[in-house]
Amino acid sequence: NAGVTQTPKFQVLKTGQSMTLQCAQDMNHEYMSWYRQDPGMGLRLIHYSVGAGITDQGEVPNGYNVSRSTTEDFPLRLLSAAPSQTSVYFCASSYARGAGPNTGELFFGEGSRLTVL
Amino acid sequence: GQQLNQSPQSMFIQEGEDVSMNCTSSSIFNTWLWYKQDPGEGPVLLIALYKAGELTSNGRLTAQFGITRKDSFLNISASIPSDVGIYFCAGMNYGGSQGNLIFGKGTKLSVKP
Repeated sequence: NAGVTQTPKFQVLKTGQSMTLQCAQDMNHEYMSWYRQDPGMGLRLIHYSVGAGITDQGEVPNGYNVSRSTTEDFPLRLLSAAPSQTSVYFCASSYARGAGPNTGELFFGEGSRLTVL
Repeated sequence: GQQLNQSPQSMFIQEGEDVSMNCTSSSIFNTWLWYKQDPGEGPVLLIALYKAGELTSNGRLTAQFGITRKDSFLNISASIPSDVGIYFCAGMNYGGSQGNLIFGKGTKLSVKP
């Protein structure tokens, strides 16, 4: 059971470079999301999607783009990396968003550790 | 926006001790969840609570959904070394335009030197 798969696991970028963090899930989940984790800050929502073709902003969306062309994939793009984007990024999915009990049970990937120099 | 206050921020445990942590919010939630994150891994769901006053156990872990719907508690009985990690509370309101999880900043459990 693969669950939620994130690639790459580690990445070092220079300021101004662009890159895409990949996320794929094989559980046929409608809801997918990206969080960033910084020391002492917990998990903060960047962007989320409630289904293919639908995306929306979370708490900290600036500097990031997303798209959802298929149910399985939800890539996160950094167009021009900045040192403030050094963080650990987690992709998470669930059956649905806010539809009722059991829909808050997010399944997380193992994380992508990004350093921007 | 909504914020969750999780305490304590960190604590040291000795094997066999009981551990308690809590999470409070300025607004109500209709779902509370507790996650654990091991080093180098993503968070994993421990317990989900869907009803005010609900008390739910998962092995040595017990969590409660506060009666005011603004707080939740997690207790670990007879701690063991593998309990170390970061514990996150998360709140959610399902229905309408809401439904994203809001996370606390975490409680880090470490072993007493």
